[in-house]
Amino acid sequence: AIQLTQSPSSLSASVGDTVTITCRASQGIGRSLAWYQQKPGKGLKFLIYDASSLESGVPSRFRGSGSGTDFTLTISNLQPEDFAIYYCQQFSGFPLTFGGGSKVEIK
Amino acid sequence: QIQLVESGGGVVHPERSLRLSCAASGFTFSSHAMHWVRQAPGKGLEWVAVISYDGSVTYYLDSVKGRFTISRDNSKNTLYLQMNSLRGEDTAVYFCARGLSRWVPDYWGQGMLVTVSS
Repeated sequence: AIQLTQSPSSLSASVGDTVTITCRASQGIGRSLAWYQQKPGKGLKFLIYDASSLESGVPSRFRGSGSGTDFTLTISNLQPEDFAIYYCQQFSGFPLTFGGGSKVEIK
Repeated sequence: QIQLVESGGGVVHPERSLRLSCAASGFTFSSHAMHWVRQAPGKGLEWVAVISYDGSVTYYLDSVKGRFTISRDNSKNTLYLQMNSLRGEDTAVYFCARGLSRWVPDYWGQGMLVTVSS
């Protein structure tokens, strides 16, 4: 199975900051990567697919980039509602796999 | 709006069975693949299974193959996960999720807790 390694596992930031989360795949997956946001007790919110395509309705302060094995999620001008856990997920092959998550906390 | 509502969870003894359901609304259920994904308490996400829009194709996580069966009833807009021979490591919140093209999950339910314990 393709392993996804996310870093950092947690970070502290302030409203208005820019944060970057990385996701590294154990083998090349092209651009078959998605990003999700999870808040406590909730299902996941779909943010980005195909590494950099923003899902409809997702604010433009979210940006994804990368291809092959290295990917990033950048959140600019962090807002209070952005404090959550973020997961990457590959859909290059089965089993689908997720990164371990990156928790964005308020500083 | 799109809604996915899981039901059927609870506490079950090891080696027993449980069936989860996921009621879908707000979209054309029969046009989409559907997934089950789980999250053990305090842990990350683990994909479990997927079924194609018409039920003809299924894929499973190796550790559940032969024990879990994903199915759907497009006339009832409902997805199922039959879980047999349950183990402690199956304890998790189970989410159903809609699949887009190329199997990407987009909309997710709120999840349903399954606890396997004696």
